[in-house]
Amino acid sequence: EAQVTQNPRYLITVTGKKLTVTCSQNMNHEYMSWYRQDPGLGLRQIYYSMNVEVTDKGDVPEGYKVSRKEKRNFPLILESPSPNQTSLYFCASSNLGDVAFFGQGTRLTVV
Amino acid sequence: AQSVTQLDSQVPVFEEAPVELRCNYSSSVSVYLFWYVQYPNQGLQLLLKYLSGSTLVKGINGFEAEFNKSQTSFHLRKPSVHISDTAEYFCAVSHPLFSGGYNKLIFGAGTRLAVHP
Repeated sequence: EAQVTQNPRYLITVTGKKLTVTCSQNMNHEYMSWYRQDPGLGLRQIYYSMNVEVTDKGDVPEGYKVSRKEKRNFPLILESPSPNQTSLYFCASSNLGDVAFFGQGTRLTVV
Repeated sequence: AQSVTQLDSQVPVFEEAPVELRCNYSSSVSVYLFWYVQYPNQGLQLLLKYLSGSTLVKGINGFEAEFNKSQTSFHLRKPSVHISDTAEYFCAVSHPLFSGGYNKLIFGAGTRLAVHP
C-alpha cells in the first residue's frame, strides 16, 4: 500500500530537549516536504527536498532542521524546541507535477 | 505573492442539504488547484484537483468544484451531504514556479464543515 508514515503520532516534550520526527515514504517519490498546521493559518511549508542531499527552506524554517540521506526518509529535527513550535506536523511526498500524499500527522506539544 | 482565501471558517449544514465551500486565490501565474479533506485525527486526503481542461471537476465522495478564472475562484460543492462529510476542508494552489519547490502547496486556512442530523 502506498503511504507516508510519520512517527510518533503524538509527542509531549519539554523546552530545549532535542527531538526528531521521522517520515518515510514507499512510493519512490523525489519531492518531500514538511508542513505545520495551526488553527486559522492552514498548513505552512517548513522545509522541502527535491531529491537526496537537496534540501531548502520553506516559509517557516526557523527552529527546524531536516536531512535527506536516503530517498525514502525525510526526518524533521527540532534542536531546541520552544512552546511556539507546539503544532500539528505533516510530512508529504510526491513526484514532479503529481498529487501530494500526506502522512497521518504528528501532534507535538512543547511545555 | 500567492495566497488562498477560504471565505468561511465554519459551515454548519443539515444532513441531505446542499453545501458550497468557497475558495478564492491570488496569483500572478496560472495555478493548479486542489481541495483536500482532513477527517478528525487523520492526514489530508485529496478530494479533487484542477490542472487544466474542463472547468468543472468531479472528485471523490460526490464532491465537485468549478474553476472560474475571471473570479479566481475554485468553490467546492456537494448536492447532498452526509454526517460522514463532517471534516475540515482545505483549498490549495500549486505551480512549478513557486518558491519552495515544484510541488509546494499553498493552503487556505481551512473550512470546518459540520453536518447535523
